[in-house]
Amino acid sequence: NAGVTQTPKFQVLKTGQSMTLQCAQDMNHEYMSWYRQDPGMGLRLIHYSVGAGITDQGEVPNGYNVSRSTTEDFPLRLLSAAPSQTSVYFCASSYSPRGRIANTGELFFGEGSRLTVL
Amino acid sequence: QKEVEQDPGPLSVPEGAIVSLNCTYSNSAFQYFMWYRQYSRKGPELLMYTYSSGNKEDGRFTAQVDKSSKYISLFIRDSQPSDSATYLCAPPYNTNAGKSTFGDGTTLTVKP
Repeated sequence: NAGVTQTPKFQVLKTGQSMTLQCAQDMNHEYMSWYRQDPGMGLRLIHYSVGAGITDQGEVPNGYNVSRSTTEDFPLRLLSAAPSQTSVYFCASSYSPRGRIANTGELFFGEGSRLTVL
Repeated sequence: QKEVEQDPGPLSVPEGAIVSLNCTYSNSAFQYFMWYRQYSRKGPELLMYTYSSGNKEDGRFTAQVDKSSKYISLFIRDSQPSDSATYLCAPPYNTNAGKSTFGDGTTLTVKP
């Protein structure tokens, strides 16, 4: 199993450009989410999804869009990049939030995508 | 205010030292807690989890929760340079949909 795969690993954008960060998981997880990680601010939740066709906002959703057309994929779109969006982005997945006995609430993370906006 | 607050780092110790990493939480409803380890330029990975009362031991690592004081600790015995990483504490993700829930992380360096 590949687990959670993120692409690209590195990206440099100019202010105002748009791009999509890709995330795919092969564990048949219902829950997927996007975080950004900045020095001194920890991991902050951007958007999440509890299943195909269902998405919702996290704590810092402004400037980002998501969609979930399949169980496997959860792309994150930056509509008009700003320097404040320079960060490391992590995609994470897990079992159904409605829980199974075996669901410890563990998140499985990708390796991250480093984005710089000039 | 975050629901999980973590002692700020960084923390630097010599090889073989006992390390204590600490968090506090505010929500009494959390049933258990996770410790994630994040190596430089990698994603976090679950290290261990423990229920909201008592201890759990896994090799050189012991996770402890004091429910009365809402205090979470991770102890590392005989620390090794390979333990150098950022450690994050968090309740299970599904207890607080829509919120980040992670502590800010403590970066540990173990010097040979």
